[in-house]
Amino acid sequence: DARVTQTPRHKVTEMGQEVTMRCQPILGHNTVFWYRQTMMQGLELLAYFRNRAPLDDSGMPKDRFSAEMPDATLATLKIQPSEPRDSAVYFCASALGGVGEKLFFGSGTQLSVL
Amino acid sequence: DAKTTQPNSMESNEEEPVHLPCNHSTISGTDYIHWYRQLPSQGPEYVIHGLTSNVNNRMASLAIAEDRKSSTLILHRATLRDAAVYYCILSLYNFNKFYFGSGTKLNVKP
Repeated sequence: DARVTQTPRHKVTEMGQEVTMRCQPILGHNTVFWYRQTMMQGLELLAYFRNRAPLDDSGMPKDRFSAEMPDATLATLKIQPSEPRDSAVYFCASALGGVGEKLFFGSGTQLSVL
Repeated sequence: DAKTTQPNSMESNEEEPVHLPCNHSTISGTDYIHWYRQLPSQGPEYVIHGLTSNVNNRMASLAIAEDRKSSTLILHRATLRDAAVYYCILSLYNFNKFYFGSGTKLNVKP
């Protein structure tokens, strides 16, 4: 079965370090989403791309977060510098992007910033 | 953005039907109604979606009110594996944004 692949699955880092999370969307999907999940805030939409172009990143803290799609098979989410409040599970999802299309989620990256 | 309202939690007995309600009184004519669920320690997974008519698939049924201001996800025979958080989401017809609310945590008792 085709699936969205996220790496790493777990990341522990110290405050101030750069963190890069990667996502390989399902082949042929042209829409990619980044979500963050915490107990307090639930699932928050950080950014999404269509055909590799960012359509909306209003959910991201602009000073430290950046999201890119270097090519159609890779999406990245970077945090620099990381802070303890960034600790969360980060999910990537992809979709075909048509009317009413469904999202396919990866297994997430569990980030702990000490 | 159109918002949805769901009960925080619900409980069901195994092998009984479950009706999960969702209110979306500010829905617009072009919003799709989607349901996703999240099992423990996993990413959300698609359950079902619809626009105006009721929908059925192998996982569940979606009943949409005539005025579209509410909908109900129906699990016909709940199993222990259906214990999850169920999210009701609205999306624009051109699939712009998917905002997840707090969802309904379903507990299934053996």
